[in-house]
Amino acid sequence: AQSVTQPDIHITVSEGASLELRCNYSYGATPYLFWYVQSPGQGLQLLLKYFSGDTLVQGIKGFEAEFKRSQSSFNLRKPSVHWSDAAEYFCAVGYTNAGKSTFGDGTTLTVKP
Amino acid sequence: DAGVTQSPTHLIKTRGQQVTLRCSPKSGHDTVSWYQQALGQGPQFIFQYYEEEERQRGNFPDRFSGHQFPNYSSELNVNALLLGDSALYLCASSNGGADGYTFGSGTRLTVV
Repeated sequence: AQSVTQPDIHITVSEGASLELRCNYSYGATPYLFWYVQSPGQGLQLLLKYFSGDTLVQGIKGFEAEFKRSQSSFNLRKPSVHWSDAAEYFCAVGYTNAGKSTFGDGTTLTVKP
Repeated sequence: DAGVTQSPTHLIKTRGQQVTLRCSPKSGHDTVSWYQQALGQGPQFIFQYYEEEERQRGNFPDRFSGHQFPNYSSELNVNALLLGDSALYLCASSNGGADGYTFGSGTRLTVV
């Protein structure tokens, strides 16, 4: 069965500092991997996705993620965090681009001024 | 261009009642998926509809049912509501292309 683990429930960083959110997955095949962001009371917005090709993926809002097959990881990074990045971030895995996705339980990001 | 529209935004129901949630997909999208997001958890896949048929289903009981209409809009029905059904219900649409899902803002269901 597929599963996604986001080990950090809550992360606090200072504005301007770098950010890395961890994601580990368990999957039986080459997965589609996604990162979404959710602001309070809102739906999910896709930041980036990976299926094949270059293992370093660029997304919106200055985010990037790196797929490491040997570690079953797909960590999200941003070199300099802005206060508006405070939100909840979800990693997800799926068989297809828009089929059933399995989500982690999320990481809440707080940004200190 | 309107994105995914869900109604109502908030809803309070009593245990044992039935509820219907509605979703209008993004223009040009023909596939609708429903997710349940309990407080403090990630979304869980309920089911997906395409061409008015349920194409995939997650681990949810038969109390959860759905429908897709010819205009691609969709309904999620939950019967015999339990307190544990309290959650944010998210609708996501797609056209099977490279863009993947577009999510709506959700319906917050509270069962009392």
